[in-house]
Amino acid sequence: DIVMTQGALPNPVPSGESVSITCRSSKSLLYSDGKTYLNWYLQRPGQSPQLLIYWMSTRASGVSDRFSGSGSGTDFTLKISGVEAEDVGVYYCQQGLEFPWTFGGGTKLELK
Amino acid sequence: QVQLKESGPGLVQPSQTLSLTCTVSGFSLMDYSVHWVRQPPGKGLEWMGRMKYDGDTYYNSALKSRLSISRDTSKSQVFLKMNSLQTEDTAIYYCTRVFYWGQGTLVTVSS
Repeated sequence: DIVMTQGALPNPVPSGESVSITCRSSKSLLYSDGKTYLNWYLQRPGQSPQLLIYWMSTRASGVSDRFSGSGSGTDFTLKISGVEAEDVGVYYCQQGLEFPWTFGGGTKLELK
Repeated sequence: QVQLKESGPGLVQPSQTLSLTCTVSGFSLMDYSVHWVRQPPGKGLEWMGRMKYDGDTYYNSALKSRLSISRDTSKSQVFLKMNSLQTEDTAIYYCTRVFYWGQGTLVTVSS
């Protein structure tokens, strides 16, 4: 199985600051179609996960442009430009290249 | 609009079988795949399996011997059955179309 490893944030983060969440996969997620099968989700407290980014850098419909995804085949970053109160929660990366789909352990964002 | 909603028993006894239903609306199960994902309390997400739009299934090998996913397209429902439940199967169970998620249903395994 592909192992997904996420980094931590220096919580709590001051409102308005920009933060980057890292994720690493044990295998390249770049497929032969040119797409990188890496998703980012936000799970707010008490809620279901919400898709933020798919194909490593494509924002899902309705997601603020403060969120951006980037990376290579195995190293990925989710950047939040100007953290707001509604961004609080746990962020997960997930690989969709092959089954079983696997998630990172999650990165918690707390606001100061 | 697209919606998914899980339903099932909140409490299951150890060694018994869990049966969950995911009822979808706003799309056809013959056009989109539906996945099951679970989350133990306070822990991370685990992908369990997928019902593909063509009826094909794929399971997490860690659960494969205990897990079965099926569907009734006429009722827009996807079913999850998992046997030999243990306390570590206590979790919120979600059905998802990736871009859309159900609210989840908490299943507690306890005598």
